[in-house]
This record gives sequence, C-alpha cells and structure tokens, in this order.
Amino acid sequence: GIQVEQSPPDLILQEGANSTLRCNFSDSVNNLQWFHQNPWGQLINLFYIPSGTKQNGRLSATTVATERYSLLYISSSQTTDSGVYFCAVDFNDYKLSFGAGTTVTVRA
Amino acid sequence: ETGVTQSPTHLIKTRGQQVTLRCSSQSGHNTVSWYQQALGQGPQFIFQYYREEENGRGNFPPRFSGLQFPNYSSELNVNALELDDSALYLCASSPSLVGGGTYNEQFFGPGTRLTVL
Repeated sequence: GIQVEQSPPDLILQEGANSTLRCNFSDSVNNLQWFHQNPWGQLINLFYIPSGTKQNGRLSATTVATERYSLLYISSSQTTDSGVYFCAVDFNDYKLSFGAGTTVTVRA
Repeated sequence: ETGVTQSPTHLIKTRGQQVTLRCSSQSGHNTVSWYQQALGQGPQFIFQYYREEENGRGNFPPRFSGLQFPNYSSELNVNALELDDSALYLCASSPSLVGGGTYNEQFFGPGTRLTVL
C-alpha cells in the first residue's frame, strides 16, 4: 500500500551538530511537506517541496521525486530545533499522508 | 493575514457524549481538512471539505461528521464518544485543491486536545 517512511525514528544531537532526516515514499506525489511539531502540538510549516531543493536559514530540503525520497538537513543545530519532524505526502488524492516522525533532541 | 484558528483548545468529555470542534481557515483558503493525531503517532486524515461539501474521507466511522460554512469555516462533530477518540484534532486549510490548481500547501491550526474519560 501507499506508505511514508521516516528515518531515523529518534535523533540525539549536541548543539552545533548537523543532521539529515530522510523520508521515503512509495508512489508519485503531488505535494510533499516537512513540518516541525512543537511541544504544544502546533505543526509548523518548514517546506513545501514536491521536487527540487529549498533553503530557509539553517534548514534545507531536497526532494528527488523520481527516486521517491526527500531529505531535511539541519545545520548548526540549536536547542530550539528539538521536537518531532514530520514528512507528509499527497499521493494525488487530496489528503496528506504522514510518516511516523523523527524525534529530535538537541542537547546544550 | 490571519492563520488557521481552532476552538476550544482543550476539552474533556465522557464516553457516549457528543462533541463539536471548530476551525476557521486562513484568509483566502477555501478547503479545510481535519486530522486526528493519537499520542506518539503521525496525524491521520479524517475528511476534507471544499465549497461546503465533503471532498474525501479517511478510514473513520460515520459518527465522525463535519460541516463547512459559506465563510469556509468548519466544524468536526463526533457522536457516541469512545475512549480511543482521545487525541489531538488538527484542522488544516489550503487553497483550492480542485479545479486544476497545482499549489496546495496545507497550513495547520494549533489543534484541540480532546480527552474522553
């Protein structure tokens, strides 16, 4: 069936370190979004990236649609980067299908 | 530009009761989707509304129902509450997903945390 898989499930970083989160998906996509969920549950939009590469400050993302994966890069991590990162995909069926998330903990 | 808002923030109900959650979409957005997020899991799609009609539904029973109003705000109603309905309910709005548009980024509200005792 249609699937969105994220790895790793958990990531512990020292402040200042760089990291890469991965999202694999099982079919062609109309939309792919990366979110950061804060401790209060709010999903913060990071990137709308069905294909290509985008950068926003210390964060960047790349989606290779033909190979069915997307990567989220966090550089020079800060404690405020802690939280759960979700990849969500629209498989041309109007809804977002979410992965299980990557829980990131950045230690000072 | 006003973002997506939801009310109430928290709600406690008992089994068998009914609940109504509300969502106001972001300015300029006419499509609203509802998601349920159980503890420790990713959000699961419940249904979507476009121009006051249901435009798709996930794997949820009929006791989950919704409405969209002419101003694009929306309600999620859950009847005969069960303990497993305890979750964070998220509303998302987006520009029209129907009619050939290609840009359909979804923006989420802060959620309503429902506890069923």
